[in-house]
Amino acid sequence: LAKTTQPISMDSYEGQEVNITCSHNNIATNDYITWYQQFPSQGPRFIIQGYKTKVTNEVASLFIPADRKSSTLSLPRVSLSDTAVYYCLVGEGDYKLSFGAGTTVTVRA
Amino acid sequence: NAGVTQTPKFQVLKTGQSMTLQCAQDMNHEYMSWYRQDPGMGLRLIHYSVGAGITDQGEVPNGYNVSRSTTEDFPLRLLSAAPSQTSVYFCASSWDRTSGASTDTQYFGPGTRLTVL
Repeated sequence: LAKTTQPISMDSYEGQEVNITCSHNNIATNDYITWYQQFPSQGPRFIIQGYKTKVTNEVASLFIPADRKSSTLSLPRVSLSDTAVYYCLVGEGDYKLSFGAGTTVTVRA
Repeated sequence: NAGVTQTPKFQVLKTGQSMTLQCAQDMNHEYMSWYRQDPGMGLRLIHYSVGAGITDQGEVPNGYNVSRSTTEDFPLRLLSAAPSQTSVYFCASSWDRTSGASTDTQYFGPGTRLTVL
């Protein structure tokens, strides 16, 4: 399994940009990088996915350097409702996906 | 679409009892999986299936059985419940073959909260 490493927690304030970096040194050529968000008492929700360079959607941006050994999820202008756990996943060719402990992001007023 | 549905939402068992957690999806997804999430921790893969009739083990398969007789349903069976199986169980599905989307883009159900006494 491709192992990922993320910070355990991050604090921010409303209106700020939050950047979460995930390390995945053993990423394979065919692997995608996917980020999920989980609120308490709910299942994870897909946020964004990328393979290389930069991907942007209405929720977040994902930056992936050329060597693909890390990726950074960027949440622009966070609000209190962005308080959640964020997971970085690296896809395996045999479909065995693994969630790590994730990063708990706490947004304060 | 109802998406991924799970039943029951809550369940309390006694040690040694057996039960089946139900999971169904109406998105024509090929890939389905079961995860457990213990308090304050990430999700761990129990079993997964890449299509009807095909299942395989994940990280923590002991004490659980699965089968996949249809595309829509993927039940998880606890053979003899133990307190260590107290957890929240999530079912997920992904990959509509016709869309070409990655199998990594999973849709999760609301979870089943299981307590084993």
